Amino acid sequence: DVKVTQSSRYLVKRTGEKVFLECVQDMDHENMFWYRQDPGLGLRLIYFSYDVKMKEKGDIPEGYSVSREKKERFSLILESASTNQTSMYLCASSYRRTNTEAFFGQGTRLTVV
Amino acid sequence: AQKVTQAQTEISVVEKEDVTLDCVYETRDTTYYLFWYKQPPSGELVFLIRRNSFDEQNEISGRYSWNFQKSTSSFNFTITASQVVDSAVYFCALSEETTGGGADGLTFGKGTHLIIQP
Repeated sequence: DVKVTQSSRYLVKRTGEKVFLECVQDMDHENMFWYRQDPGLGLRLIYFSYDVKMKEKGDIPEGYSVSREKKERFSLILESASTNQTSMYLCASSYRRTNTEAFFGQGTRLTVV
Repeated sequence: AQKVTQAQTEISVVEKEDVTLDCVYETRDTTYYLFWYKQPPSGELVFLIRRNSFDEQNEISGRYSWNFQKSTSSFNFTITASQVVDSAVYFCALSEETTGGGADGLTFGKGTHLIIQP
């Protein structure tokens, strides 16, 4: 079974802190993604990566950055957390070939106070 | 531009009732893929099904069935004899051939929260 693991289920951080969300997959997938999920807005893509050290902006990249130093690991970084970044964050991975399904982690619920 | 609409924000039914979740999509591509995902209270999205635009054959998997109709741009999901464990948020998603592989090409609907009451 494909496994996508996010380092934390729940996280509480203070405004202005630098926050790292970690994601690891064990299926040798080329693609990795970070989504944000908010009530009434569905899933919105923040950043994605097709390969090591490669990153592409999604629909809402402002206030975020990412790092992919190894194929299996994709990190989301909030440089200076703000209260409007309180949300559920979902990591996903997939093979690069066309239109394969994505596999998701269990999500990290981040609260910024 | 691609778009997925799940008009039903929340549905509540009593256990053992049948329930249909609607999904309407928009795309200019002739080749595209449609997906359904389930998100239980635990939070992890679970892949349920993928259909390509050239295969309109309906699919049944146990109590789940999917009705794909290109004429109405719909890909509806029916749960027969619903159970409490079916309670979850269900997402429909679309991927166009031109956007490449994986979730970067996935456009999600906003989800339908299904509540099955005992």
